[in-house]
Amino acid sequence: AQSVTQLDSQVPVFEEAPVELRCNYSSSVSVYLFWYVQYPNQGLQLLLKYLSGSTLVESINGFEAEFNKSQTSFHLRKPSVHISDTAEYFCAVRGSGNTPLVFGKGTRLSVIA
Amino acid sequence: DAGVIQSPRHEVTEMGQEVTLRCKPISGHNSLFWYRQTMMRGLELLIYFNNNVPIDDSGMPEDRFSAKMPNASFSTLKIQPSEPRDSAVYFCASRFTGNTIYFGEGSWLTVV
Repeated sequence: AQSVTQLDSQVPVFEEAPVELRCNYSSSVSVYLFWYVQYPNQGLQLLLKYLSGSTLVESINGFEAEFNKSQTSFHLRKPSVHISDTAEYFCAVRGSGNTPLVFGKGTRLSVIA
Repeated sequence: DAGVIQSPRHEVTEMGQEVTLRCKPISGHNSLFWYRQTMMRGLELLIYFNNNVPIDDSGMPEDRFSAKMPNASFSTLKIQPSEPRDSAVYFCASRFTGNTIYFGEGSWLTVV
């Protein structure tokens, strides 16, 4: 079985500052890793994912995450945040096959002007 | 594509009433998932279907909850009778084998 830990429930950060949202997972099998974003009163949208290949993956809006197998981590980073990045961010993991995603409890990112 | 479509978007109901939430997955997707989101527990998987067949319903909280998928383009999640602690956002999501899971906008349920 897989599980995901997001250590920070809330992260306030000033606009244009860098941010890192932490995610650690546990799994006894190979995993696929995801970050989803949820804007207020909306559903979840895929931000980026790691399936295989390069351990560094990027999104179209400047976020990146690095899969670190030895540390079982998949932290999300952005070098300079915008007000519009204010949202809840969920890390998720699934094993191979047609299995569901297991989510962390989420990290609420608040960008302050 | 229209994406995953859920209805109703918002529902307020009285304790004891039956609630039915509906979901239309993305055409061609063969897996469908029901998740519940609350402040206390975050996102919990309730049940999921592969090719219209329920695979794992261990997340369904109790017998008051039931889910069906009569065909590839429709699923329901029913709560009968509803209780205040069922108040949450219920998300439906779908996927084609091995690919990205896409979420609907959610059904916001309040039981008073």
